[in-house]
Amino acid sequence: EIVMTQSPATLSVSPGERATLSCRASQSVSSNLAWYQQKPGQAPRLLIYGASTRATGIPARFSGSGSGTEFTLTISSLQSEDFAVYYCQQYNNWWTFGQGTKVEIK
Amino acid sequence: QVQLVQSGAEVKKPGASVKVSCKASGYTFTSYGISWVRQAPGQGLEWMGWISAYNGNTNYAQKLQGRVTMTTDTSTSTAYMELRSLRSDDTAVYYCARRAPIDAFDIWGQGTMVTVSS
Repeated sequence: EIVMTQSPATLSVSPGERATLSCRASQSVSSNLAWYQQKPGQAPRLLIYGASTRATGIPARFSGSGSGTEFTLTISSLQSEDFAVYYCQQYNNWWTFGQGTKVEIK
Repeated sequence: QVQLVQSGAEVKKPGASVKVSCKASGYTFTSYGISWVRQAPGQGLEWMGWISAYNGNTNYAQKLQGRVTMTTDTSTSTAYMELRSLRSDDTAVYYCARRAPIDAFDIWGQGTMVTVSS
């Protein structure tokens, strides 16, 4: 099983600032990496797939990068609606999720 | 619109079974697979398994092998997930999600809370 490790567990950011979230795979997943956003009481929402392609309707302030084992999700200027938990997911070998990064208001 | 609508909350006793449904609409059901993902209270997302709505092929997470069965009914565009021999640590919100052509999960159900308690 491919293990996905996210860091940090919690990120405290002020509105308008940049947030950078990391995800590491235990072995190469090529670019088969997605990011999801989850707000309390809601289902996850697909943000990014193919490591860097925004899903339909996702604002341009969300960007993804990386390949192989190291990936990054960047939110360029945090809006109030962006405070949530973010998960990475590999789909190179079935599917596994990281443990999540909570982005909270500083 | 494209959506997945799941069945309602369940309360079960340890050792019992639960079967959660996921009804698809707004797209051709047999053109996409369905995965099931669960989330224990306050915890992260755990992939449980996948079923092809085209031919019924399945793949289950190793830790659930032998206790989980995923099926589909193409006549009603509904996917099902049955979990047997329930334990307290199976208490979670269970989600179904559509496997998009890009292999990520692009549409999610609203979730079904399953509580296992004596």
